Amino acid sequence: AQSVTQLDSQVPVFEEAPVELRCNYSSSVSVYLFWYVQYPNQGLQLLLKYLSGSTLVKGINGFEAEFNKSQTSFHLRKPSVHISDTAEYFCAGQGGSEKLVFGKGTKLTVNP
Amino acid sequence: NAGVMQNPRHLVRRRGQEARLRCSPMKGHSHVYWYRQLPEEGLKFMVYLQKENIIDESGMPKERFSAEFPKEGPSILRIQQVVRGDSAAYFCASSPRPSQTYNEQFFGPGTRLTVL
Repeated sequence: AQSVTQLDSQVPVFEEAPVELRCNYSSSVSVYLFWYVQYPNQGLQLLLKYLSGSTLVKGINGFEAEFNKSQTSFHLRKPSVHISDTAEYFCAGQGGSEKLVFGKGTKLTVNP
Repeated sequence: NAGVMQNPRHLVRRRGQEARLRCSPMKGHSHVYWYRQLPEEGLKFMVYLQKENIIDESGMPKERFSAEFPKEGPSILRIQQVVRGDSAAYFCASSPRPSQTYNEQFFGPGTRLTVL
């Protein structure tokens, strides 16, 4: 079965600290991979996507992610977070059909 | 260019009532997807529609749920005889006509359904 696993349900960090949000995927969803951000009571906004080519993908708001086929991972990173990055982050995969398969989400809380 | 629009944004229903959720895709988009987000869960795919066609409904509950995307007007997700377990956020996404490569889905703000 297709699956995407986000290993941390909550990640608290201090402002200006680096952060990594972890995501692992099953090989059946590895065709395309995405990270979305959801601010409270809002819809999902695409942060970045991996389709092919370079394994390091840069997205909006200073985020980046690295596709690692041998470890079946697609971790999201930011070198220095802001208070405004507080949100829930979802990793998703798409393979073989149009539907997206989402992880359960990671709530990032940035503290002053 | 307006994004994906969903209404209502919040919907309260009593058990046994019907809920109708609407989704207007982005201009020029002919494909619509519905996802459900239960509390403390990620989004789960429900159904994928083109105009007047259901392409994939593998994520739809077998009973009480239906979806349509008519030739004119918005896509509708209909839940009959709602139960408390239907309380969730329902998100719609749209994409343009599929091509040989990747087809990005653009998400609406969601409808938050509360069943009392």
